[in-house]
Amino acid sequence: GEDVEQSLFLSVREGDSSVINCTYTDSSSTYLYWYKQEPGAGLQLLTYIFSNMDMKQDQRLTVLLNKKDKHLSLRIADTQTGDSAIYFCAESTTNSGYSTLTFGKGTMLLVSP
Amino acid sequence: ETGVTQSPTHLIKTRGQQVTLRCSSQSGHNTVSWYQQALGQGPQFIFQYYREEENGRGNFPPRFSGLQFPNYSSELNVNALELDDSALYLCASSFIGTLYEQYFGPGTRLTVT
Repeated sequence: GEDVEQSLFLSVREGDSSVINCTYTDSSSTYLYWYKQEPGAGLQLLTYIFSNMDMKQDQRLTVLLNKKDKHLSLRIADTQTGDSAIYFCAESTTNSGYSTLTFGKGTMLLVSP
Repeated sequence: ETGVTQSPTHLIKTRGQQVTLRCSSQSGHNTVSWYQQALGQGPQFIFQYYREEENGRGNFPPRFSGLQFPNYSSELNVNALELDDSALYLCASSFIGTLYEQYFGPGTRLTVT
């Protein structure tokens, strides 16, 4: 079955880079995602990467995908206190015409001034 | 462009009662998915609706049911509430042609006592 694992906690100082890691198990996943959740809020889609790509960059965000090792990472450059949140890695699974997301448990990122 | 909205924001129910949660899709989206997020966990897929029919379902019992209306809005109904049903319920909308892009609402926090 599908399973997504992430480290639970990361603490960085403002201005540093943050790297959040994730491993997944479903080799047929077409897309892999990073979502951000702030306290008491829903999920914000940060970025996603198609499985035939190795890297995707979007402003301060860089996603790296190692398909062989089923490893996904999110790098946030110049991390700000406003980046403090829970970050979820997710993989897509397509079954008989519908697509669902399988999420990890989330990584809490704490950015200190 | 209007994002995904959900109501109510918070809800407190007693074990054994029934509850209805509501979701309005993002403009232009015709598919709705529901997820349950227990405290400290990642969201788990409940089911997906397209063209007013259940399109796919996760590992949830039949007392979790839903509806989708012609305007693509949706309801999640839970009968015979149990304490473990306490969670954040998230609705995500997408377009059937781009199911890989799911956008989440702010969620409904359900507490069962």
